[in-house]
Amino acid sequence: GAGVSQTPSNKVTEKGKYVELRCDPISGHTALYWYRQSLGQGPEFLIYFQGTGAADDSGLPNDRFFAVRPEGSVSTLKIQRTERGDSAVYLCASRNQEQFFGPGTRLTVL
Amino acid sequence: QKEVEQDPGPLSVPEGAIVSLNCTYSNSAFQYFMWYRQYSRKGPELLMYTYSSGNKEDGRFTAQVDKSSKYISLFIRDSQPSDSATYLCAMSRDQGAQKLVFGQGTRLTINP
Repeated sequence: GAGVSQTPSNKVTEKGKYVELRCDPISGHTALYWYRQSLGQGPEFLIYFQGTGAADDSGLPNDRFFAVRPEGSVSTLKIQRTERGDSAVYLCASRNQEQFFGPGTRLTVL
Repeated sequence: QKEVEQDPGPLSVPEGAIVSLNCTYSNSAFQYFMWYRQYSRKGPELLMYTYSSGNKEDGRFTAQVDKSSKYISLFIRDSQPSDSATYLCAMSRDQGAQKLVFGQGTRLTINP
C-alpha cells in the first residue's frame, strides 16, 4: 500500500501568518508522530498521537504550535503567527512496529 | 550536551570501501537503536533496527550496539555510489510509543 504522505510538499509564507501542514499515515497505523528537521540536523520530536489523542506533546516548542487528529487517521500540524525560526522540514511518521516517515513539508517563513 | 552525538562529516570514500558510521549517547535508558538513511529532499528510511546490545547483519549492512560504552555503529561493506546519503542514528527507550531521539546525521558520499 501507499506510504505516509504529506501535503503540501513546500510551503512559503510570511512572518506572522498561520499555516497548516497535513499528514496521511499508512492505513491501519494507530500511532502518528510529528518531527521537525532543521538544515544539517536530525529530526526533533514534536508530538505523538495514539489514536485521536495526543499521548506526548512535550516536543512542541511553544503555544504557537498545536496538532490535531480528530478521526484517528489524518493529522494536521498548525502553526500560528509564524516566525522565521520556524523554517524547517516538518516530517510525519506512522508506526506499526517501526516508524515510517513521509517525505516532509518544507516550510519557509520569509 | 545532546543526548545523541553523531559526527556530521561529511565523509567521502571510494566505491567498494568499508564505511563505519558511529553514534554515542548519554541516556542509559535507551534500549532500541535504529539507523535511517535519508536521501536529499526525502524522508528518513529505516535501514536497521536493533534491540539492546549485539550485532545484526542485513546484506551489506551490519549494526552493532555496545550499551556498556553507549556506542553504536553501522558498517557498510562493498559501498556503492547509491549508498551516498545522510545516515541518521536514532534511539528510544522502548519499542512502543516512545519518541525517537536522533543524531545529527552523517553525510556520506561514495565516489565511483
